[in-house]
Amino acid sequence: AQTVTQSQPEMSVQEAETVTLSCTYDTSENNYYLFWYKQPPSRQMILVIRQEAYKQQNATENRFSVNFQKAAKSFSLKISDSQLGDTAMYFCAFMKPRGAGNMLTFGGGTRLMVKP
Amino acid sequence: EAQVTQNPRYLITVTGKKLTVTCSQNMNHEYMSWYRQDPGLGLRQIYYSMNVEVTDKGDVPEGYKVSRKEKRNFPLILESPSPNQTSLYFCASIPWGGTGELFFGEGSRLTVL
Repeated sequence: AQTVTQSQPEMSVQEAETVTLSCTYDTSENNYYLFWYKQPPSRQMILVIRQEAYKQQNATENRFSVNFQKAAKSFSLKISDSQLGDTAMYFCAFMKPRGAGNMLTFGGGTRLMVKP
Repeated sequence: EAQVTQNPRYLITVTGKKLTVTCSQNMNHEYMSWYRQDPGLGLRQIYYSMNVEVTDKGDVPEGYKVSRKEKRNFPLILESPSPNQTSLYFCASIPWGGTGELFFGEGSRLTVL
């Protein structure tokens, strides 16, 4: 079974600054996907970024980028030029593409507050 | 439009009154799953289904039932709700094999008094 750990329950950052959210995971799988999801007060789960484990290149989406360290089983999210609208709960998630059992495992979440 | 639809979005009920939260997807996905979200605990899996008539327990199945009679529907049943089932519930639908896509419902906020 997979486990996902987010060691920072809460974080804050000043508007326009950079913040990094940590995520580590444990798995015996070789092929898998990693995700960061944002959950604003609307509660909707919004995909921020996705990383395929077989790709060495770190994924980027505008102001969001990841530092994927497969050997260390680490998957941190960097938010550059933080904006007030980035205030939300962020979840790291692991997904295996096939096989029995739980395909999708979430971390406990990090609540990010962006301050003006 | 590809989507996962959950109903109801909000529900306040009383202890012991049976309720069903529906989940429907229009993408012909094999895998569907229910999660509950609680502060500090992230999203925990309740039940999942790998295909029609194939369901299995997740990490926190106690007090819940599911069924998968059709591929598109995966209802979550609380036969006798209790206050500790007050939570935010999400249904997820995942295509089988290597696409890396996830689809979530919009969440159902359930309060059991």
